[in-house]
Amino acid sequence: GAVVSQHPSWVICKSGTSVKIECRSLDFQATTMFWYRQFPKQSLMLMATSNEGSKATYEQGVEKDKFLINHASLTLSTLTVTSAHPEDSSFYICSASGYNNSPLHFGNGTRLTVT
Amino acid sequence: AQKITQTQPGMFVQEKEAVTLDCTYDTSDQSYGLFWYKQPSSGEMIFLIYQGSYDEQNATEGRYSLNFQKARKSANLVISASQLGDSAMYFCAMREGLNAGKSTFGDGTTLTVKP
Repeated sequence: GAVVSQHPSWVICKSGTSVKIECRSLDFQATTMFWYRQFPKQSLMLMATSNEGSKATYEQGVEKDKFLINHASLTLSTLTVTSAHPEDSSFYICSASGYNNSPLHFGNGTRLTVT
Repeated sequence: AQKITQTQPGMFVQEKEAVTLDCTYDTSDQSYGLFWYKQPSSGEMIFLIYQGSYDEQNATEGRYSLNFQKARKSANLVISASQLGDSAMYFCAMREGLNAGKSTFGDGTTLTVKP
């Protein structure tokens, strides 16, 4: 089946630094990728929709200057958490979709801890 | 706006028994897709089963079946012959249209299988 690789799986960074998370579709072309944030024992909250070759579409309440999304190719989307603060600590997970009735294919997620 | 409701925050089931996880949805779209995902404690999201709004038969995938009642807008997941490895969080999700649009997730149900 389709594989999405997300890296890193976990990262610890100091407050004020930036962190980049990569999401790659390994065996299919993903024109659209989605970035989610998840707090413990809660649902996935859609942050933004990443479209190859164009600007990402952010959900209401998500700061686009803080969560920079780049989708430069059909197989790679990146999420950069800029000037991270402890409240940005969370589980971030990306997904990509094929066409029509195919399900979302998820990366394994990135656990970000900001100290 | 689309909405997914999972009314069971937690469920317990005895090993080898069947369990039903509830999901109701609300949408004004005629075309939509319904999905169930499993999230073990390790965090990855695993696709289980899909039901399209125009599908007349209930979807089945191994021990998983989807009880789709369109008029009631419900899409319950039935897991037969529960196994200890089924203990996880389960999310019901709905996709806009039938294309690669964004998905809306329910709050999830934590299933615990007891030996």
